[in-house]
Amino acid sequence: SQQGEEDPQALSIQEGENATMNCSYKTSINNLQWYRQNSGRGLVHLILIRSNEREKHSGRLRVTLDTSKKSSSLLITASRAADTASYFCATDARGNTGKLIFGQGTTLQVKP
Amino acid sequence: DAGITQSPRHKVTETGTPVTLRCHQTENHRYMYWYRQDPGHGLRLIHYSYGVKDTDKGEVSDGYSVSRSKTEDFLLTLESATSSQTSVYFCAISESLGGGETQYFGPGTRLLVL
Repeated sequence: SQQGEEDPQALSIQEGENATMNCSYKTSINNLQWYRQNSGRGLVHLILIRSNEREKHSGRLRVTLDTSKKSSSLLITASRAADTASYFCATDARGNTGKLIFGQGTTLQVKP
Repeated sequence: DAGITQSPRHKVTETGTPVTLRCHQTENHRYMYWYRQDPGHGLRLIHYSYGVKDTDKGEVSDGYSVSRSKTEDFLLTLESATSSQTSVYFCAISESLGGGETQYFGPGTRLLVL
């Protein structure tokens, strides 16, 4: 069963624009993480936000978490062609012994 | 991908044959995981290990077994491969179990079962 559901499934923007991806989940969580996957490669950790945090920044990345709506968003500002990748949210649901559950991902294409 | 290697990187096999995938880490992390990635399903946990000889099932463990005889190696075995096991397999490691810890992923193994 999927805990995290990303929206949209695919996103295409021009270089320099901002990209926003959303993740919704079903059960209470301890933490939520975002990962990036370049084509043909493994996943790379981007950022982690804890359930008691509402917003977190890392470089051009901004993550928000709304536990009342069970949703998170990942904003990439001033996108670059190198940001082209798939982005996944992963949740550590409470009572799930800490294992991560990944969503299906958002595929982002940034056109030069 | 640093510190984690997977072998083989690509494999084509026939239905009914046994297949073993290897994950090797140089980070000395306690926890190791095997995932499969399929279109429309994201990543799904197959098995994980929380120490030498200590393993547990994940979400999609049927048809798979694992072994961990050394900290650095985690093997995934398909006893009798089926076409439904055609997938990309990723190994991951973490220092502890839990969503508060980053998982580091290997480069993946593409398996095609004919």
